[in-house]
Amino acid sequence: ETGVTQSPTHLIKTRGQQVTLRCSSQSGHNTVSWYQQALGQGPQFIFQYYREEENGRGNFPPRFSGLQFPNYSSELNVNALELDDSALYLCASGRTGGYQETQYFGPGTRLLVL
Amino acid sequence: DAKTTQPNSMESNEEEPVHLPCNHSTISGTDYIHWYRQLPSQGPEYVIHGLTSNVNNRMASLAIAEDRKSSTLILHRATLRDAAVYYCILRDPYGGSQGNLIFGKGTKLSVKP
Repeated sequence: ETGVTQSPTHLIKTRGQQVTLRCSSQSGHNTVSWYQQALGQGPQFIFQYYREEENGRGNFPPRFSGLQFPNYSSELNVNALELDDSALYLCASGRTGGYQETQYFGPGTRLLVL
Repeated sequence: DAKTTQPNSMESNEEEPVHLPCNHSTISGTDYIHWYRQLPSQGPEYVIHGLTSNVNNRMASLAIAEDRKSSTLILHRATLRDAAVYYCILRDPYGGSQGNLIFGKGTKLSVKP
């Protein structure tokens, strides 16, 4: 199995701009979840995609959106960036349907909003 | 998913065992206990999980109290590479999105040479 990869590794944007972060899941995994991790905090669940549809969302506004593609890639889009969006964004893939589902995380994209 | 309580930080010496505690007094009968760890500048990685019985794998052991209100992650011989933030997470396979891991602040483990 190949690991979960994310791009870019670092990104700087200004307030009000839009950003797209990318993730490549492990082969054979049919779910992808995105998390936001502020400095010194644990990751916070944004949403999960399963079979290219959103399958659960945490407490994040609609300006956070995503896409999942059949080729194990996915995107996180954030519109109208705010200063508080500065964080590490993590994607995690897994196989749904099992109660022992393990999430495999990528290294993250660090976003700085100025 | 129920809440867990962990110490903010712990220290260990290299090659000594480490016991990382987790309290989960409101655990339900269907909650599994999962442990993840996050090494510096990396995403979290799965360590181990269990329901009622103690569990062992190549990375660690998980000791679960008989009443399931607490558990302990055991690293048998800490190495410098084990320095990380360790998260104890409860997951109900029958509730909510299966991908939703609820992380707390975890325990930051420091390992001294």
